[in-house]
Amino acid sequence: GENVEQHPSTLSVQEGDSAVIKCTYSDSASNYFPWYKQELGKGPQLIIDIRSNVGEKKDQRIAVTLNKTAKHFSLHITETQPEDSAVYFCAASKGSGAGSYQLTFGKGTKLSVIP
Amino acid sequence: GAVVSQHPSRVICKSGTSVKIECRSLDFQATTMFWYRQFPKQSLMLMATSNEGSKATYEQGVEKDKFLINHASLTLSTLTVTSAHPEDSSFYICSASGQLAGYTFGSGTRLTVV
Repeated sequence: GENVEQHPSTLSVQEGDSAVIKCTYSDSASNYFPWYKQELGKGPQLIIDIRSNVGEKKDQRIAVTLNKTAKHFSLHITETQPEDSAVYFCAASKGSGAGSYQLTFGKGTKLSVIP
Repeated sequence: GAVVSQHPSRVICKSGTSVKIECRSLDFQATTMFWYRQFPKQSLMLMATSNEGSKATYEQGVEKDKFLINHASLTLSTLTVTSAHPEDSSFYICSASGQLAGYTFGSGTRLTVV
């Protein structure tokens, strides 16, 4: 089955700096790669996703890049703010983001933005 | 956007009793629902996948007789923890997926068994 590795497990950055979180996946059939933000005591919230036919996607301060050949994808957060502090999870799935295919999650990265 | 409502958000029950958690897709038809369990400072662990009208498929190591999943309609799935014990205390999260909406997560249920 799919295996998703996520690094680093913890990340501290100064407010205004950039943060990068990296994930690798093992199953070349995976074609959907979402990123989730989870605050304490809440469910994960989708912040950005990318499908395998695209190499990069950006939404304001958040961007995701995908390298299918190397089987890795990264989350980039620019101009970090204290409210960005949370646990971030990457995930991978087949089925282009719909249907009955399960998501395989990375172990998570705890991001702390220091004011 | 797609919304999934999960209730209750917190529940405390006595050891030996059963607890039901509801997961509803409010604005789309969820052909598939997923149930996860999350321990503190850990990732989400998939417990089972259910397709509307079919029996749930449980992941290895998850007791199907203990964690009963019902997905009788396209908008509602329930997870019942039967004969709960303290080791069942955890954060349970549902996720719904359909043709018009991808993986949308509920807000989670904190179960404490005393």
